[in-house]
Amino acid sequence: GQQLNQSPQSMFIQEGEDVSMNCTSSSIFNTWLWYKQEPGEGPVLLIALYKAGELTSNGRLTAQFGITRKDSFLNISASIPSDVGIYFCAGQVRNNDMRFGAGTRLTVKP
Amino acid sequence: GAVVSQHPSRVICKSGTSVKIECRSLDFQATTMFWYRQFPKQSLMLMATSNEGSKATYEQGVEKDKFLINHASLTLSTLTVTSAHPEDSSFYICSARSGRYTGELFFGEGSRLTVL
Repeated sequence: GQQLNQSPQSMFIQEGEDVSMNCTSSSIFNTWLWYKQEPGEGPVLLIALYKAGELTSNGRLTAQFGITRKDSFLNISASIPSDVGIYFCAGQVRNNDMRFGAGTRLTVKP
Repeated sequence: GAVVSQHPSRVICKSGTSVKIECRSLDFQATTMFWYRQFPKQSLMLMATSNEGSKATYEQGVEKDKFLINHASLTLSTLTVTSAHPEDSSFYICSARSGRYTGELFFGEGSRLTVL
């Protein structure tokens, strides 16, 4: 099936810095979703994108659905320690067919 | 947003026993739920798609007799790990979609299974 390439694999940043991560694919997706997962818990939906070019914000988080429909990025501004976790992108092609990126592990140093 | 609840959050069992994990959509009806397995520091691996009122659809390489899925109602799907072995120890997560074919996917809190 379609694979999502998520990068970077991990990030170590200082509190207050901005973060950017992205997902790319060789295939077109109809929906892009971004999730955050903390240890021992299930992923929590952060942002959902449904249209090519769409730019959506959720507090300090901003995500965009790429124009080509093959990529998406997530930015976190002014990071804080509680941003620590693993961020996953997910792309949906058609009915019930959703693929996940490998995740970006974020560490924020106070 | 929609809430999906999983139970139990942690379970320890002896090798050879069966364990049932429940996944409930609390404030919406889910005709389709999904079951994933997650190994440490890895992404989610889709195991099967649970369809209300019909048989589950399993991903390639997932033993359907080992991982029994039942989706008897629009708000409940269960995953039973039969004759569990230590290699079945993992983090199991369910998800449900708020719409039939589209809409956002919401995840349960996950269930950590440890087989001794």
